[in-house]
Amino acid sequence: DSGVTQTPKHLITATGQRVTLRCSPRSGDLSVYWYQQSLDQGLQFLIQYYNGEERAKGNILERFSAQQFPDLHSELNLSSLELGDSALYFCASSVDNTGELFFGEGSRLTVL
Amino acid sequence: GQSLEQPSEVTAVEGAIVQINCTYQTSGFYGLSWYQQHDGGAPTFLSYNALDGLEETGRFSSFLSRSDSYGYLLLQELQMKDSASYFCAVRDPGGFKTIFGAGTRLFVKA
Repeated sequence: DSGVTQTPKHLITATGQRVTLRCSPRSGDLSVYWYQQSLDQGLQFLIQYYNGEERAKGNILERFSAQQFPDLHSELNLSSLELGDSALYFCASSVDNTGELFFGEGSRLTVL
Repeated sequence: GQSLEQPSEVTAVEGAIVQINCTYQTSGFYGLSWYQQHDGGAPTFLSYNALDGLEETGRFSSFLSRSDSYGYLLLQELQMKDSASYFCAVRDPGGFKTIFGAGTRLFVKA
């Protein structure tokens, strides 16, 4: 158990819909990262927050947005969903400035 | 930007040694990490090299050569449970992004 909690574990929805994925980082970790992993693909960096502020963005679609709240949990919002958005979405947290990310178990999104 | 290259697949026999290579191109460098991911599971951290040389953790070792922009993960005494995907990753100079390679799928045969 990494200490990072993600909900929901599985989500099935239809094209055009909007979903919210939630992440609670490890106790004490200020940084939260979001990654997308499509079937048999690598981990694509989406966005990173540190103590409530956006710090880095990857190739995140405009239909996607995220935020980190004062209690440090984070939410990833995916809207106008398309079939290609079906993927595993991982959240990770870290103590800043170290090489180690702790990953949650992921949220598997299926868009039908 | 950053890019990493690693082989897509490696097959080895139980009990053997296998090396997974990673070459990277970065605008700056802040360390090379390795992660393991079993099918359907979350990536888990294996090792981190900030400086040149070899880091050993049990059966796993990781090596870095900054002058060659190259690193590798060495797995010894392979076990069936080592069958997984292995990702190398680099952090950008600001330390805000960790970018992953496409992953190497390791198959361990009996």
